[in-house]
Amino acid sequence: KAGVTQTPRYLIKTRGQQVTLSCSPISGHRSVSWYQQTPGQGLQFLFEYFSETQRNKGNFPGRFSGRQFSNSRSEMNVSTLELGDSALYLCASSLASGETYEQYFGPGTRLTVT
Amino acid sequence: AQSVTQLGSHVSVSEGALVLLRCNYSSSVPPYLFWYVQYPNQGLQLLLKYTTGATLVKGINGFEAEFKKSETSFHLTKPSAHMSDAAEYFCAVSDWRAAGNKLTFGGGTRVLVKP
Repeated sequence: KAGVTQTPRYLIKTRGQQVTLSCSPISGHRSVSWYQQTPGQGLQFLFEYFSETQRNKGNFPGRFSGRQFSNSRSEMNVSTLELGDSALYLCASSLASGETYEQYFGPGTRLTVT
Repeated sequence: AQSVTQLGSHVSVSEGALVLLRCNYSSSVPPYLFWYVQYPNQGLQLLLKYTTGATLVKGINGFEAEFKKSETSFHLTKPSAHMSDAAEYFCAVSDWRAAGNKLTFGGGTRVLVKP
């Protein structure tokens, strides 16, 4: 079974632009979570989608948004990029939503904002 | 709010020596606990988890961790380090009372294995 895939793997954007990252979960998984990883702040939870509905949201500004499609694929969007948005963005999928379900992480998208 | 503290951002061990990574959590109720490993340019891989039941949890690659409620700790150990264990390790918690899959991570411990 294929793992979690994230596209693109690397991205360079300019301040003020917007960006869309994509995540394809493991086949059959219906929950997708997003995390931001930076050297300064570590790993921080962005949001979770389950059955096309946002289930949980972390403490990030409204510039960060996401959505999930009927096939469980998910996208996250960051508008008006800032230098501080440079990070590794990780997506994780699980069978369903709930703390006992194991989350499988993708390789991440490394976003650089210049 | 929950929080996770990993003591030591860098740990250096000799090949064959004991690996001990420390994790303490802060939570009003015992949470579910996880250890993940991250190799360079890769995502996170689950090593082991504690939900309920036996407090000594065995995971993959020879790792194990013990949940100690009185010490609010979940330290990770491996009796004999291998070169392939060089990676960054993250302790994480989730709140079983809350809906969803939100994980709160510690700051991570980077392990260097010396030959």
